[in-house]
Amino acid sequence: SYEVTQPPSVSVSPGQTASIICSGDKLGDKYVSWYQQKPGQSPVVVIYQDTKRPSGIPERFSGSNSGNTATLTISGTQALDEAAYYCQAWDSSVIFGGGTKLTVL
Amino acid sequence: QVQLQESGPGLVKPSQTLSLTCTVSGVSTSSGDYFWSWIRQSPGKGLEWIGYIYYSGGADYNPSLRSRVTISVETSKNQFSLKLSSVTAADTAVYYCARATSTSRASRYFDLWGRGTLVAVSS
Repeated sequence: SYEVTQPPSVSVSPGQTASIICSGDKLGDKYVSWYQQKPGQSPVVVIYQDTKRPSGIPERFSGSNSGNTATLTISGTQALDEAAYYCQAWDSSVIFGGGTKLTVL
Repeated sequence: QVQLQESGPGLVKPSQTLSLTCTVSGVSTSSGDYFWSWIRQSPGKGLEWIGYIYYSGGADYNPSLRSRVTISVETSKNQFSLKLSSVTAADTAVYYCARATSTSRASRYFDLWGRGTLVAVSS
């Protein structure tokens, strides 16, 4: 079955750029969405269809997808961006990555 | 304001059937614009898609759970439901209902989530 892989954790300093990757075989041929989940809260979509940002999501969130890797980029990272981030794609069914805990130091 | 709210027992005994309902407000479950989904998250773990249903009753399930899952929709009550049979401790999780866009399958994503409800499987 198809799988996507994320690093368990990423650290970034406030104001710097955070990059969270999601890897899978020929992932660039699929659409990827990204979800932010803060402790005790439900996930919120921050990027869908690789690069699109829902209304209300800050412009500092952006996405890309090519080859075997999709990337969520957070520019000018703020303390409130500290959360778990999950990538999601479709194969024979919905696939979620294992999640990446973003720490803003 | 569109909202989804899960409800159901917080404790289920092993081998029994877990039953949850999601009540939708602010949008009709008979809308052809969305699929109505269930997703779960085991304590401290990641997200697992369970399945979804369209207003017409057509459903799709995670192959790993398909033999135990039934999702149904009751448009007159603006609700949809989950039944998961023969539960074990491994089914202990926070269960979310969520709305998926009815774009092409490959581009579908979950644009709205309920707050989630914790279901523990224990005797």
